[in-house]
Amino acid sequence: GAGVSQSPSNKVTEKGKDVELRCDPISGHTALYWYRQSLGQGLEFLIYFQGNSAPDKSGLPSDRFSAERTGGSVSTLTIQRTQQEDSAVYLCASSPQTASYGYTFGSGTRLTVV
Amino acid sequence: DQQVKQNSPSLSVQEGRISILNCDYTNSMFDYFLWYKKYPAEGPTFLISISSIKDKNEDGRFTVFLNKSAKHLSLHIVPSQPGDSAVYFCAASEDDKIIFGKGTRLHILP
Repeated sequence: GAGVSQSPSNKVTEKGKDVELRCDPISGHTALYWYRQSLGQGLEFLIYFQGNSAPDKSGLPSDRFSAERTGGSVSTLTIQRTQQEDSAVYLCASSPQTASYGYTFGSGTRLTVV
Repeated sequence: DQQVKQNSPSLSVQEGRISILNCDYTNSMFDYFLWYKKYPAEGPTFLISISSIKDKNEDGRFTVFLNKSAKHLSLHIVPSQPGDSAVYFCAASEDDKIIFGKGTRLHILP
């Protein structure tokens, strides 16, 4: 596609439920990144994929968070047993090769846990 | 511990004047530095970058300066325009990952 597409754009969920966020990167981009932005905070790195493998999962805040990427394309970020502190904008970005090329970000998924 | 720091949460500048956004970093292994701009309800968009081997990069109204000895970089926007009002994120890359600062909200005043 022309840009990075994320769905849903907004998600309201009850505390304790699981949610799945989807990212469609730019076609041909091998690197894919997940970040989140909490209120008043910067962009917090979560996980990075090169192809289908995730060489860096260091940013996942807890074992309730997981992500996968299939076919070197679409990625899903899953949050199990959501908590109120998970409320944030979750941003996906893709890059042709490495970070030094700069990322292209999607518009994000705004997650609200009530 | 923050590796990329933007100490000014907000900045107001008169239209037509120069906007200077500052950023400090702690990791000397960063190889690229980038600036992103973000409007509300949109993802950040890439603005300009600089390699760690350079000290200046210019693109139209935007210039980024890098002072490696001080571990400091700055973004200059001149002349500032109303459409420049946004949140600006300083970022640095290392090992295929970009680390962002908390952002500075720039207000361009009429």
